Amino acid sequence: DADVTQTPRNRITKTGKRIMLECSQTKGHDRMYWYRQDPGLGLRLIYYSFDVKDINKGEISDGYSVSRQAQAKFSLSLESAIPNQTALYFCATSDSGREAFFGQGTRLTVV
Amino acid sequence: AQKVTQAQTEISVVEKEDVTLDCVYETRDTTYYLFWYKQPPSGELVFLIRRNSFDEQNEISGRYSWNFQKSTSSFNFTITASQVVDSAVYFCALVDLGGTALIFGKGTTLSVSS
Repeated sequence: DADVTQTPRNRITKTGKRIMLECSQTKGHDRMYWYRQDPGLGLRLIYYSFDVKDINKGEISDGYSVSRQAQAKFSLSLESAIPNQTALYFCATSDSGREAFFGQGTRLTVV
Repeated sequence: AQKVTQAQTEISVVEKEDVTLDCVYETRDTTYYLFWYKQPPSGELVFLIRRNSFDEQNEISGRYSWNFQKSTSSFNFTITASQVVDSAVYFCALVDLGGTALIFGKGTTLSVSS
């Protein structure tokens, strides 16, 4: 099993719909992250969490929310999806901030 | 503030050519970590290397080598005798002790033709 698992792997949704991307990890790490990748822009940080009670905004948090349900689970929600949220989303985990383990990515298309 | 610059957006080479991907970083911390990741067409991120700021030794792994120069704030990646399977997007990333997460460059798309 992968250390970091993202579901779904691919999703097509309609504008205005609510969608949740889920992430779970078996590394036992406290830190978890959500990144968004757009062509030519690299990976940009959406939200991060250092423990269950800690949630922090990243560089591009507008239009997104997160939930840290447990140490191992960190979900990303789009309350009302819009087409420019079409992107590849990555979840990551880390124990110290000195390395990161990434999930396989979720390819989201908003039509 | 942290910043990673990969000035080369796209590089095209023919198989067996050597190619160097540039990475320049900015940080105010003296302790930091640098990374390279490969993203093949399938989309996953493949970890290649991590280097801490106190270790300036160059690294070689097979056809891959990395040149870390603190004096120029650069961490360049060279692929020797490139192969078609090296075609991918390559990301350089940085995290320092004051940072909260890896900061990525915009990536370099490498295309290797046969």
